[in-house]
Amino acid sequence: AQRVTQPEKLLSVFKGAPVELKCNYSYSGSPELFWYVQYSRQRLQLLLRHISRESIKGFTADLNKGETSFHLKKPFAQEEDSAMYYCALTTSGTYKYIFGTGTRLKVLA
Amino acid sequence: DGGITQSPKYLFRKEGQNVTLSCEQNLNHDAMYWYRQDPGQGLRLIYYSQIVNDFQKGDIAEGYSVSREKKESFPLTVTSAQKNPTAFYLCASSTRTSGRTGELFFGEGSRLTVL
Repeated sequence: AQRVTQPEKLLSVFKGAPVELKCNYSYSGSPELFWYVQYSRQRLQLLLRHISRESIKGFTADLNKGETSFHLKKPFAQEEDSAMYYCALTTSGTYKYIFGTGTRLKVLA
Repeated sequence: DGGITQSPKYLFRKEGQNVTLSCEQNLNHDAMYWYRQDPGQGLRLIYYSQIVNDFQKGDIAEGYSVSREKKESFPLTVTSAQKNPTAFYLCASSTRTSGRTGELFFGEGSRLTVL
């Protein structure tokens, strides 16, 4: 069965410090990995996906199939990055979408 | 204005009553989803539908039912069999491009409280 694990419920960092939100997954096939973000009083929205290999709002994430990880990174955190972040997985050939338990990021001034 | 519309935003129900949450999309997406969001548990998949007149159980389908009679609509019924129905419910939709499942678009959510 597919599973997404986000080990940290809360991550607090100071403004300007590097950020890494961890995500590990279990799936035997070829997964598609995503990061979604929910800012205060806003809808859950896509941040980035592994197939795009792009940087959004300074965030990047690399799919490591050997370690089955898809950690989200940003070199210098900003206060506006404070939000709830969810890692998600979908599998090739299906529409099934599984989410992790989420990590709340707090960026302190 | 395109998107996902959920209603109602807030709903109160007495124990033993069924309640139906509405979800409508005008994005022409094939797939629609229902998730339950609880603090510390993330988003858990209740049901999803890839096409009209077809749907699959997610990880926590017990006590819930759905229908998909129209592409635009995917209502969720929380039945009296659901033991802990008080929660925040999110509806979403997506499509596929080049064989890959695309981005999920979410509604604003419906908060159900059982009294």
